[in-house]
Amino acid sequence: DGGITQSPKYLFRKEGQNVTLSCEQNLNHDAMYWYRQDPGQGLRLIYYSQIVNDFQKGDIAEGYSVSREKKESFPLTVTSAQKNPTAFYLCASRHPGNSPLHFGNGTRLTVT
Amino acid sequence: AQSVTQPDIHITVSEGASLELRCNYSYGATPYLFWYVQSPGQGLQLLLKYFSGDTLVQGIKGFEAEFKRSQSSFNLRKPSVHWSDAAEYFCAVVPMNNNAGNMLTFGGGTRLMVKP
Repeated sequence: DGGITQSPKYLFRKEGQNVTLSCEQNLNHDAMYWYRQDPGQGLRLIYYSQIVNDFQKGDIAEGYSVSREKKESFPLTVTSAQKNPTAFYLCASRHPGNSPLHFGNGTRLTVT
Repeated sequence: AQSVTQPDIHITVSEGASLELRCNYSYGATPYLFWYVQSPGQGLQLLLKYFSGDTLVQGIKGFEAEFKRSQSSFNLRKPSVHWSDAAEYFCAVVPMNNNAGNMLTFGGGTRLMVKP
């Protein structure tokens, strides 16, 4: 079955360490997205990519970095510069145009 | 500024009762509209979408939503709620003529609790 796989489901890191969250899709979608979700808040866009080797900053890109070397993969690195990294991170993808987003099951990152 | 508002942060209904979750948007033209549901610790699942045509759209799990242009609203409804409907619900919009960029905007979500 086609879908989006995020791994790991839970991730724990010490403050000051970079950490990379994995997102893989086999839906053949061109566009991929990373969102951050905090308790009681909606989703906020971190980065998005419409094609391979290209990506743009979203609303809250500071302290994050991404790469898009393959169509299927869009990893997100949470750097030590991100001041409040503890959150639930969601990866999504879609076809071009206005088709709906398809979401992975998320990674919960806890930084202590 | 363009925005999506879900006025109710929490709603509690009894099992078997009807449900309406509100969503309002502020865009110059009618956007594309979506409702998603999120179970705890999970990703978001699409319930339904509106692009054009019939303003009453049917979705999965017995949900429907009605687009009302005059009220800039896209409220989600279900005639009889089941305990398994307890989750968080998000309204989202994409302005027309969007080119798959970063303009998908989500409301803040409504958490639904179902009483037995």
